[in-house]
Amino acid sequence: SYELTQPPSVSVSPGQTASITCSGNELGDKYVSWYQQKPGHSPVLVLYQNTRRPSGIPERFSGSNSGSTATLTISGTQAMDEADYYCQAWDDSVVFGGGTKLTVL
Amino acid sequence: QVQLQESGPGLVRPSETLSLTCSVSGDSITSYSWIRQPAGKGVEWKGLEWIGRIYGSGISNYNPSLKSRVTMSLDTSKTQFSLIMTSVTAADTAVYYCARDTIHYRTSSNWFDSWGQGTPVTVSS
Repeated sequence: SYELTQPPSVSVSPGQTASITCSGNELGDKYVSWYQQKPGHSPVLVLYQNTRRPSGIPERFSGSNSGSTATLTISGTQAMDEADYYCQAWDDSVVFGGGTKLTVL
Repeated sequence: QVQLQESGPGLVRPSETLSLTCSVSGDSITSYSWIRQPAGKGVEWKGLEWIGRIYGSGISNYNPSLKSRVTMSLDTSKTQFSLIMTSVTAADTAVYYCARDTIHYRTSSNWFDSWGQGTPVTVSS
């Protein structure tokens, strides 16, 4: 079965750029979505089709996908961005990455 | 704006059957999915797991790892859909979410753009 691998944790200082990776076999041939989940809340879609932002998602969230790695980039990271982030793709089945805890120090 | 609300029993005994319902308002059911997230003390991994998808036609697809125990159905009003999971164990203890599953067929991509608040399910005797 298809697998997506994320680093368990990423740390970033306020105002800096955070990058969260998601790796999978030939992932660049697929489209990746990203979700933000804060404690006690449901996940929220922040990017879809690799780079597209839903209405209401700040421009500081951006994405890329090439080769075997998709990346969620948060520019000018704010304290409110501290959350768990999950990547997701569709192979023969829907697959989520294991999640990355973003800490804003 | 679409709103989703899960409902369920909260507590299920091991080996029994879990039944959950998702009520949808503000949208006609085109495709929706169930997704779960392990919960509880001592759970090391609390990531998201896709359970399955149901289309407005009533056709469903399931996660291969759960396929033998899971059935999804759509009510005739197409404002509710259900999940039935048989032979539950402690490993099925999780928060269960329903989510709108937007599919872009040309690119074989999908995304979950609206989520319910989740309903916690504990499997315990």
